[in-house]
Amino acid sequence: DAKTTQPDSMESTEGETVHLPCSHATISGNEYIYWYRQVPLQGPEYVTHGLQQNTTNSMAFLAIASDRKSSTLILTHVSLRDAAVYHCILRVGSGGSNYKLTFGKGTLLTVTP
Amino acid sequence: DAGVTQTPRHEVAEKGQTIILKCEPVSGHNDLFWYRQTKIQGLELLSYFRSKSLMEDGGAFKDRFKAEMLNSSFSTLKIQPTEPKDSAVYLCASSFSQNTLYFGAGTRLSVL
Repeated sequence: DAKTTQPDSMESTEGETVHLPCSHATISGNEYIYWYRQVPLQGPEYVTHGLQQNTTNSMAFLAIASDRKSSTLILTHVSLRDAAVYHCILRVGSGGSNYKLTFGKGTLLTVTP
Repeated sequence: DAGVTQTPRHEVAEKGQTIILKCEPVSGHNDLFWYRQTKIQGLELLSYFRSKSLMEDGGAFKDRFKAEMLNSSFSTLKIQPTEPKDSAVYLCASSFSQNTLYFGAGTRLSVL
């Protein structure tokens, strides 16, 4: 019972800006939106997370809709190193069993030179 | 900045062998997790430590899998004896009080 919906794949060219969408229509008030990315045979890499406000860090900009039912991860000036599967997951901030993560298929981002 | 460090990156074992995987969490984190990741089962929790105390031990993995945390900066996962079905990527992650989880690069285990 996936709580987030993402496109299976997206393509981009080096130097472009990529918008990765995620739908989470049943998000609860205490759930954060987390983004991880993963390349084959490596562990998931934390990208960013947010609750309600847009957030930005060195890796990406996270735009969260005002009703919190969707979000978009924005990668600027993508490089070949950004090619990965991007996972959008919901997670309560702390406590409970919030460490029992379920990664869906995510979005496979392909970057071409 | 030192993230989560896992060694070795790759391990090949014969069926029945004992293998030990190692993990160094992010400095200052008080939570440490061991997971197993396969394409079929996805991410499965093996063990969870809070401040070196075992908080949760993945029920299905108790008999041959043993995780230990000898000090706040080092943990091991022992698999004894190994079986071919144990072939997977083993991930270590750490966090501070169950906030953002940071994962290591993983150990790819192949059991022949």
